[in-house]
Formats: sequence, structure tokens, C-alpha cells
Amino acid sequence: AQSVTQLGSHVSVSEGALVLLRCNYSSSVPPYLFWYVQYPNQGLQLLLKYTSAATLVKGINGFEAEFKKSETSFHLTKPSAHMSDAAEYFCAVGLTGGGNKLTFGTGTQLKVEL
Amino acid sequence: DTAVSQTPKYLVTQMGNDKSIKCEQNLGHDTMYWYKQDSKKFLKIMFSYNNKELIINETVPNRFSPKSPDKAHLNLHINSLELGDSAVYFCASSLHRQGRTYEQYFGPGTRLTVT
Repeated sequence: AQSVTQLGSHVSVSEGALVLLRCNYSSSVPPYLFWYVQYPNQGLQLLLKYTSAATLVKGINGFEAEFKKSETSFHLTKPSAHMSDAAEYFCAVGLTGGGNKLTFGTGTQLKVEL
Repeated sequence: DTAVSQTPKYLVTQMGNDKSIKCEQNLGHDTMYWYKQDSKKFLKIMFSYNNKELIINETVPNRFSPKSPDKAHLNLHINSLELGDSAVYFCASSLHRQGRTYEQYFGPGTRLTVT
């Protein structure tokens, strides 16, 4: 079985501050991991993906995530938050042979304050 | 040049009615999905079709019936709508190959409100 846990349903940062959104996964086999962003009243947009090629993955809009097998984590970071980063962020896990099924975390609402 | 499109964007209807949501993708993908997102933003997969064949069928009431006329289209028909069906429904698509998991591309969503 596969699952992801996103710690912190709400995260608030100041503009210009570091963004850190946490994601831990549970998988019995090497996982594929994804981060998606959802802006209000929109669909999910892929930020980045881990497919075992490199442990540090760079995505769009300045976001990156690091796969740490020992910690079963795939945290999302951005060095400097911008007001436009305010959105809901979802971590997702998929397994080889899983029929391309993704299991999503419960999401983290990022608020960026002036 | 919309990649994954859904119609309608908003759907307001009464309990007991039957409604359909349509989805189309122009990405050349061979797999399509339906997700339900509830009011707490929890996202749950409902169905997945690969080349018109059902490959994922989660525990969903049989009032929900997906139909895939071809690999670029996946429609969702809902019979006898209930208040609890109110949610945002997302269509998504991806490639599908044995041995790996591909990213999925999502449509803009259909907000269904049952009164």
C-alpha cells in the first residue's frame, strides 16, 4: 500500500521568507513522488516530480524538493516566498505496477503575508 | 490549446436528477481519470481508463458510471444525484506504461452543487 502524509494543513510565511512544506511517504517499493499546486478555483498543476533520476528535483516557479529515502521524505522548498505562491499544495505518490494510480496527501494551504 | 478540458465548469441541479460531465484531452495520452475533491480539498480517485478499458475502479456508488468513447475522451454520468455528491470533479490524463508511474495532467474541474 502507498500513502503520503503532509504535516501541517496550513503554513504561513512572510514574503521573502523560506517556504518549507513537508511530505512523508509510505511505500514498500521505490516510489514515484510528485508535488502539485492548486490555485483557487483551478485544477492541479504539476510543480515537480521524482522518478529516481536525481534526489534533488527542481521544478517550476523556483520550487525544489529533495528525496530522502532514509527519512521517507520529499519536502518542498522555495528560498523566497512570493505573494503569488499562496495556494494549496499536494504531495502525491505512485508505485511501479500500480496502474499509474496516484495517492494524494491531504494538502497544505500556504499563506504568504506581507 | 487547452490540454485537458471539462464541461461544464459549474453544474447546479436538484436531488434525484441525472447529469453528465464531459472531459477531453489533446495531449495524446492513453489513460484518463476522474477524481472527486470534497469541501476539505481531499482528492480521491474514482476511475481510470486506459485505451477505453477500465483499469481503476475505486469504491464508488454504482450511480456513477464512466464512459470512454475513445482514448481522448472520458465522460462521467451520475444517476439519482444526492446532496453528498456535491464536490469538485476533476478529470486528468497521463501516459501509461508498465514499470513506471507518469505524472497526471488535470482539467480545470467541474463544481457540482446538488440542492
